[in-house]
Amino acid sequence: DIQMTQSPSSLSASEGDRVTITCRASQSITTYLSWYQQRPGKAPKLLIYAASRLQSGVPSRFSGDGSGTDFALTISSLQPEDFATYYCLQNSRTPYTFGQGTNLEIK
Amino acid sequence: EVQLVESGGGLVQPGGSLRLSCAASGFTFSDKTMSWVRQAPGKGLEWLAYVSATGGTIYYADSVKGRFTASRDNDKNSLFLQIHTLRDEDTAVYFCLGSGYSRAGYFDLWGRGTLVTVSS
Repeated sequence: DIQMTQSPSSLSASEGDRVTITCRASQSITTYLSWYQQRPGKAPKLLIYAASRLQSGVPSRFSGDGSGTDFALTISSLQPEDFATYYCLQNSRTPYTFGQGTNLEIK
Repeated sequence: EVQLVESGGGLVQPGGSLRLSCAASGFTFSDKTMSWVRQAPGKGLEWLAYVSATGGTIYYADSVKGRFTASRDNDKNSLFLQIHTLRDEDTAVYFCLGSGYSRAGYFDLWGRGTLVTVSS
C-alpha cells in the first residue's frame, strides 16, 4: 500500500500569513493527489485535484504543486475561514490513502 | 440541489451488523464513481471502499476486506455499505463520496456523514 506522510501535523499562523503543507508518498503517484479542507463538524471539501488543479469555486489563494512523491499545498494569504484541518489523498492506486492531516490553528 | 445523504447509522453492539445507505439527488448518479470513507472521533480520514459507476468493480481497504460489502443501485440512486461483525474500532462517522472526474478518486461531492457507535 502507498503511505502518505503529511507534515506538519499542526501549524499555528496568523491571518495574512503564507503557509505550506507537504505530503510525501512512499512511492511515485505521478500527480494523482488531491487536497481537502475540513472544518469542525463538517464534511471535507475538495480544494485541489491532480496535484495542482484548483477545484471550481475554491479561492485562488490556494495552490498545489508537486509530482512523483513530493507535494505541497500553499495558502498565500490566510483568511479567517482557512483555519481548519487539511488532508492529502493519493488516488494512484487502491487502497487510496490519506495523509494524517494538518490542523491549521490561529496564532 | 446536488447532494448525498447518508442514513442507517446508530448504536450497535459489538458483533452486530449494520447497513448504511446513501441517497443521491440532483445529478446523474450512474455517471459517478463512489466511495465510502470514515472518520473515528478526533481522528483522521480513512478510505474504505470504491464502487465503479456500474457497480461492477469494487475495491476495499485491507482493514475492512471480508467484513464490509459495498454496492450500489443506480435505478434507486443509492449507494450501500453492509458492515458485519462490528468492532469497537468501527465507531466513526461514515461518509459517502462521489467523484465526477474521469480519474476516480477526486472526491468533489461528500455527504454529511452518518455516525456509527459500537458499544455494549
